[in-house]
Amino acid sequence: GAGVSQSPRYKVAKRGQDVALRCDPISGHVSLFWYQQALGQGPEFLTYFQNEAQLDKSGLPSDRFFAERPEGSVSTLKIQRTQQEDSAVYLCASSLASQGARKLFFGSGTQLSVL
Amino acid sequence: AQKVTQAQTEISVVEKEDVTLDCVYETRDTTYYLFWYKQPPSGELVFLIRRNSFDEQNEISGRYSWNFQKSTSSFNFTITASQVVDSAVYFCALSGGTYSGGGADGLTFGKGTHLIIQP
Repeated sequence: GAGVSQSPRYKVAKRGQDVALRCDPISGHVSLFWYQQALGQGPEFLTYFQNEAQLDKSGLPSDRFFAERPEGSVSTLKIQRTQQEDSAVYLCASSLASQGARKLFFGSGTQLSVL
Repeated sequence: AQKVTQAQTEISVVEKEDVTLDCVYETRDTTYYLFWYKQPPSGELVFLIRRNSFDEQNEISGRYSWNFQKSTSSFNFTITASQVVDSAVYFCALSGGTYSGGGADGLTFGKGTHLIIQP
């Protein structure tokens, strides 16, 4: 597709379950970002890839959060043993390259609800 | 650390009124970029504008205009003759790389301003 695609659009999990959120960036985009957006708040940075290399994971809130991008295209954000505070919209974004702050293209997000 | 402040949580105006959304930022980077994004109910963040720290010219695009003032660390956004379709949450964001996550392209967002345009 032409834009950033995320799936599933909605995910309901029971507390303690593991979840996996998928992001398909725009073809050819080198950089990929994950953001977490709590209700009524702005997106907050989680982690960043350049191709398959995870260059920054300083925003991941705990070791229950894990992200990968093994072939430098599709990325998966995994949350283990989900907690209620993990409920949020998870946004994926991609950009052409890390030079000169090119604009980020965002997907529509995955809304995670942990019961 | 970088910080973006959008003091207006919610603004409600009647259609055709002009409205200004405020944005104040803090950064220690000497080179940085400022952005505005629109988030409609569908959830996707839509890029509106990018400005680099060396370009203080105001910009106009149709009914939208942006006022960048480095002296006051502000990057305000004005919608002229607002329309119902402008209703959304608007985010101001800052990138620079040194003090934010995600390298040069990583963004620090404000909390957003929910704009409601009433018919």
